[in-house]
Amino acid sequence: EIVMTQSPATLSVSPGERATLSCRASQSVSSNLAWYQQKPGQAPRLLIYGASTRATGIPARFSGSGSGTEFTLTISSLQSEDFAVYYCQQYNNWPRTFGGGTKVEIK
Amino acid sequence: QVQLQESGPGLVKPSQTLSLTCTVSGGSISSGDYYWSWIRQPPGKGLEWIGYIYYSGSTYYNPSLKSRVTISVDTSKNQFSLKLSSVTAADTAVYYCARDYALDAFDIWGQGTMVTVSS
Repeated sequence: EIVMTQSPATLSVSPGERATLSCRASQSVSSNLAWYQQKPGQAPRLLIYGASTRATGIPARFSGSGSGTEFTLTISSLQSEDFAVYYCQQYNNWPRTFGGGTKVEIK
Repeated sequence: QVQLQESGPGLVKPSQTLSLTCTVSGGSISSGDYYWSWIRQPPGKGLEWIGYIYYSGSTYYNPSLKSRVTISVDTSKNQFSLKLSSVTAADTAVYYCARDYALDAFDIWGQGTMVTVSS
């Protein structure tokens, strides 16, 4: 199974600042990587698929990059509604696996 | 738009079988483009993919749970279901159903249902 490792576990950022989240795969997943946002008491929401393609309705301040084993989610200017937990997930291999999450909190 | 809704008991006794159903509305589960998964999240922890089913009935399960999992589909009711046998407290989690397009990312999720395993 492919292990997905996210860093940092917690990221403290002020509103309006840039946030950079990392995700590393234990072996190449090509560009078959998704990012999700999860707020307390809610289901995850798809933000990015194919490593860099924004899902329908996702604001342009969210961007994804990377391929192979190293991936990044960037939130260019954090809004109040962006404080949440973010998960990466690979869909290149079975079983599908998720990272442990990065919590983005208000600094 | 397509919506998913989980349903089932919120409390299951240890050693018994957990049974949940996901009802698909606003679209057909028989669309050949989509695969239907179960995913769970223990309290305060991360996400674990359990398995998927295609409308034809073909399935794929997470090897870590394969011996205890059965996922089935009822196209006439536009539903798919999860059975997890011999549950323990470690199976306590929020269970989500989700859709993916052509074995891609999960683009639509149900709201989730909390299942507690306790006597």
